[in-house]
Amino acid sequence: SQQGEEDPQALSIQEGENATMNCSYKTSINNLQWYRQNSGRGLVHLILIRSNEREKHSGRLRVTLDTSKKSSSLLITASRAADTASYFCATDARTGFQKLVFGTGTRLLVSP
Amino acid sequence: DTAVSQTPKYLVTQMGNDKSIKCEQNLGHDTMYWYKQDSKKFLKIMFSYNNKELIINETVPNRFSPKSPDKAHLNLHINSLELGDSAVYFCASSLGQGFDEQFFGPGTRLTVL
Repeated sequence: SQQGEEDPQALSIQEGENATMNCSYKTSINNLQWYRQNSGRGLVHLILIRSNEREKHSGRLRVTLDTSKKSSSLLITASRAADTASYFCATDARTGFQKLVFGTGTRLLVSP
Repeated sequence: DTAVSQTPKYLVTQMGNDKSIKCEQNLGHDTMYWYKQDSKKFLKIMFSYNNKELIINETVPNRFSPKSPDKAHLNLHINSLELGDSAVYFCASSLGQGFDEQFFGPGTRLTVL
């Protein structure tokens, strides 16, 4: 299975702190994406990083990708209570049907 | 305007019933998807349609039948509902296939009693 696994499963921090979550996957990919899901809502795309990229930034988000280790990390800097959500990585396979396979998710709780 | 919309938001029904969930996207995308999210938040693809053509059918029981009347709509019909069908079902769309950024609907929480 190509399913990604996020680590940690849950993370609790204070506002202003940084949050780092990791994703590991098993097969070669074209790109890796991160999504956020607020409670009771659909997923929202955050950032896409291609297999030939090592780092990407978007606002307070920083994503790294290490294809040799088949892993990625999402860093949220200066976290806010509104960042409280579940975060999922999603990978595609280089062969077979073109689909995204989502990881197990990290539940982030940011306390005021 | 909502980009990807689903109806209904909540669906409570008895075992054995047949129900449908509707999905519409106004983004002009070519590809639409159905996902199932279980109680542990695990999200798994069920179906994918590209320009009304079925692209992915992920070992889903044939009680589940997707229908795409046009590329802006993808509906999901479920026959003979079972307790294990209880989950949140998400519709999504993307411009191209598979590994493009996907836009998700708000989800339909299905509870089978």
